[in-house]
Amino acid sequence: DAKTTQPPSMDCAEGRAANLPCNHSTISGNEYVYWYRQIHSQGPQYIIHGLKNNETNEMASLIITEDRKSSTLILPHATLRDTAVYYCIVVNIMEYGNKLVFGAGTILRVKS
Amino acid sequence: NAGVTQTPKFQVLKTGQSMTLQCAQDMNHEYMSWYRQDPGMGLRLIHYSVGAGITDQGEVPNGYNVSRSTTEDFPLRLLSAAPSQTSVYFCASSYTGVSGNTIYFGEGSWLTVV
Repeated sequence: DAKTTQPPSMDCAEGRAANLPCNHSTISGNEYVYWYRQIHSQGPQYIIHGLKNNETNEMASLIITEDRKSSTLILPHATLRDTAVYYCIVVNIMEYGNKLVFGAGTILRVKS
Repeated sequence: NAGVTQTPKFQVLKTGQSMTLQCAQDMNHEYMSWYRQDPGMGLRLIHYSVGAGITDQGEVPNGYNVSRSTTEDFPLRLLSAAPSQTSVYFCASSYTGVSGNTIYFGEGSWLTVV
């Protein structure tokens, strides 16, 4: 079972920041928070990941609360091409790679 | 750099037929895996491999077989196709990094079993 809880859908105006929340209240010390997205009919695309510090890359920022029980993915200037399903996934780095457990994710609709 | 390549992209099978979905990666990744995605649902892990010669079952392994004879290739075999195996199949690969694994996915193989 997925270890995360996300809202089923969100809307965002084009050019605005999209803030996607994720609850992972049972996260353990060895577990990272990963974000992937899946644009219609394509393979999932890696966005960002973090352990406890906030992270930023060319695609997004990841804000993790101090207790690590929740996080927020921020797309600073959403475009129509950011419309996708966004998955928040908790990954135990002590286990073998590739064992991602996907939940239902959040459908983000960016509107002009 | 091709990344993760899956073939075929589309396939229609009759119930009871067998076939192999091919997956190849050119990033020298240790870890490879196969997921399936049914309409409106998240991906579910079928089988995975942590290196050449080593495979293990994921969440939904029944009806599928895998082997890993080389680092680059990880084929998925459907032994006797059933309509319940109609799905989109994604192959993935990853390396081990200091700060965790980043997983790269192929573009998917659409399989219909009639």
